Amino acid sequence: AQTVTQSQPEMSVQEAETVTLSCTYDTSESDYYLFWYKQPPSRQMILVIRQEAYKQQNATENRFSVNFQKAAKSFSLKISDSQLGDAAMYFCAYILNYGGSQGNLIFGKGTKLSVKP
Amino acid sequence: NAGVTQTPKFRVLKTGQSMTLLCAQDMNHEYMYWYRQDPGMGLRLIHYSVGEGTTAKGEVPDGYNVSRLKKQNFLLGLESAAPSQTSVYFCASSYSSQGGMNEKLFFGSGTQLSVL
Repeated sequence: AQTVTQSQPEMSVQEAETVTLSCTYDTSESDYYLFWYKQPPSRQMILVIRQEAYKQQNATENRFSVNFQKAAKSFSLKISDSQLGDAAMYFCAYILNYGGSQGNLIFGKGTKLSVKP
Repeated sequence: NAGVTQTPKFRVLKTGQSMTLLCAQDMNHEYMYWYRQDPGMGLRLIHYSVGEGTTAKGEVPDGYNVSRLKKQNFLLGLESAAPSQTSVYFCASSYSSQGGMNEKLFFGSGTQLSVL
């Protein structure tokens, strides 16, 4: 079965500090995309960062970066210079890259991030 | 540009009642999806559509029906609501079926449904 595991139900970080959220996934396929989504209290799902599995270079979006370890099937998210607005649920997800995937994003259960002022 | 709009935002039903959730997108996307989110869980795919007039089952389709009569609209129906269908429902759309360099899933803001 295809699964995504986020082993940290809750995390806390001090404002301006750095925090890393963990994610591991399980698939026998080699071509897929990985995502981190942010869900603030407003419930809106916001794409934070995306990684193509065929790319070795880790994706970066401003203060957000990932550590993608394909062999270990690990995809962690690092948030630098944490801000109060980063407080939210963070979901790791992946989707296989072939026509039959049809948008079936496989989500983890999420990590609730709190940011302390 | 409204993106993906879901109506209603909140609804309370009694067991056995029926209702329809409406999703509308104004981005001319081909693909549309319905997900449900339960406490402590990520999103799970209920049904999806790859174009006008098409629908297909996702991971958790039982108890739901969908229709895509117009490209911009994707309806999710509950014929006989059950307490197990209490959840937050998200609609999403995308230009193509999977993540790629130039597209992503656009989500609506969700519908909180409670079935008593």
